[in-house]
Amino acid sequence: EAQVTQNPRYLITVTGKKLTVTCSQNMNHEYMSWYRQDPGLGLRQIYYSMNVEVTDKGDVPEGYKVSRKEKRNFPLILESPSPNQTSLYFCASSSLGGGPPYEQYFGPGTRLTVT
Amino acid sequence: GQNIDQPTEMTATEGAIVQINCTYQTSGFNGLFWYQQHAGEAPTFLSYNVLDGLEEKGRFSSFLSRSKGYSYLLLKELQMKDSASYLCAVRAPRQSNYQLIWGAGTKLIIKP
Repeated sequence: EAQVTQNPRYLITVTGKKLTVTCSQNMNHEYMSWYRQDPGLGLRQIYYSMNVEVTDKGDVPEGYKVSRKEKRNFPLILESPSPNQTSLYFCASSSLGGGPPYEQYFGPGTRLTVT
Repeated sequence: GQNIDQPTEMTATEGAIVQINCTYQTSGFNGLFWYQQHAGEAPTFLSYNVLDGLEEKGRFSSFLSRSKGYSYLLLKELQMKDSASYLCAVRAPRQSNYQLIWGAGTKLIIKP
């Protein structure tokens, strides 16, 4: 089954404790992206990757890191989480070739609370 | 700047028809997406328009006018399960790495 998986689904942590949210896709997609979603603000992109070893900042990259060492994986790292990073996080992937619609497939989301 | 506008919230009756509008002002255009998102869940793909006109897919249709920077999503024969947020997103061209610019979403409430 074609899917994007994220782990963990729920996480409560404390300020300053490093954490990693994993993301994996099994569709051989070139493009992967991380979003955060907050009430009233819609989806905001944190980082994205066009292919292995190619990453770039989105609209709200401060406080986050990513890596793309393998095509299928795109982990999101919070080196020193702060309460303003409490949010719902989504990983997404899409193909860049092979014809439209090039829709993004989303993972189930990770609800992060930083106290 | 880049901007996508959608109504914040709409209410409709079960069995009726509703039209959700989206207007956009972006520096480039390479297609427009509509996604459905139930509360606390991931967005799921509904439609993609890159040329002007109407695309029909079952109870859902999507329309695009590139000259007006305008799209709408039409939902017919509304069902309670259609209560969700509907997100409009514009795909940037290759020079901008095909980024998606997202609207804040329209929350649709269906009443019996």
